Amino acid sequence: NAGVTQTPKFQVLKTGQSMTLQCAQDMNHEYMSWYRQDPGMGLRLIHYSVGAGITDQGEVPNGYNVSRSTTEDFPLRLLSAAPSQTSVYFCASSSQASGHYEQYFGPGTRLTVT
Amino acid sequence: GENVEQHPSTLSVQEGDSAVIKCTYSDSASNYFPWYKQELGKRPQLIIDIRSNVGEKKDQRIAVTLNKTAKHFSLHITETQPEDSAVYFCAASILDTGRRALTFGSGTRLQVQP
Repeated sequence: NAGVTQTPKFQVLKTGQSMTLQCAQDMNHEYMSWYRQDPGMGLRLIHYSVGAGITDQGEVPNGYNVSRSTTEDFPLRLLSAAPSQTSVYFCASSSQASGHYEQYFGPGTRLTVT
Repeated sequence: GENVEQHPSTLSVQEGDSAVIKCTYSDSASNYFPWYKQELGKRPQLIIDIRSNVGEKKDQRIAVTLNKTAKHFSLHITETQPEDSAVYFCAASILDTGRRALTFGSGTRLQVQP
């Protein structure tokens, strides 16, 4: 299993540009989520999904959209990039089965908005 | 919502000494408390977790204790080694809802001096 994969690894955007960060998992996990990590801070939840077709907002959703058309994929869209969105973005997935609580993180995407 | 505070922000120990990192949480409904280790430029990786029906859990040199009444939990690393140097994050979550969102502490940078 590849686990949780993310592309791209690095990205530089200009203010106002849009882009999609890709996330995929091959573990058949129902739960997927996006976090951002800013220097000196813990990770903060942006959006999450408990299954295909179901998404909801997390702690810091403004400026981001998500969709979940398949179990495997959970892309994060930046609508109009702003310098405040410069961060490292992590996707995570988890089984919803009882007794399985670990969230597995992808390798991250480092985004810089100039 | 949940708020997790973590102390200290940096911790330097000599190889072979013990290290203790402490976290407090605000939401008494939280029932799952994982600890993640993050090496520079890498993804967070789960090192140990505890559910609220357990007071202590050990895995070799690592242990976590939980005090539900005081709403705090701690990570204990014994016989520290240079490879333990990393940033450690505590987190809290409510497992019994579909959300499973992790609220993270701000992290502790542990440096083990050889």
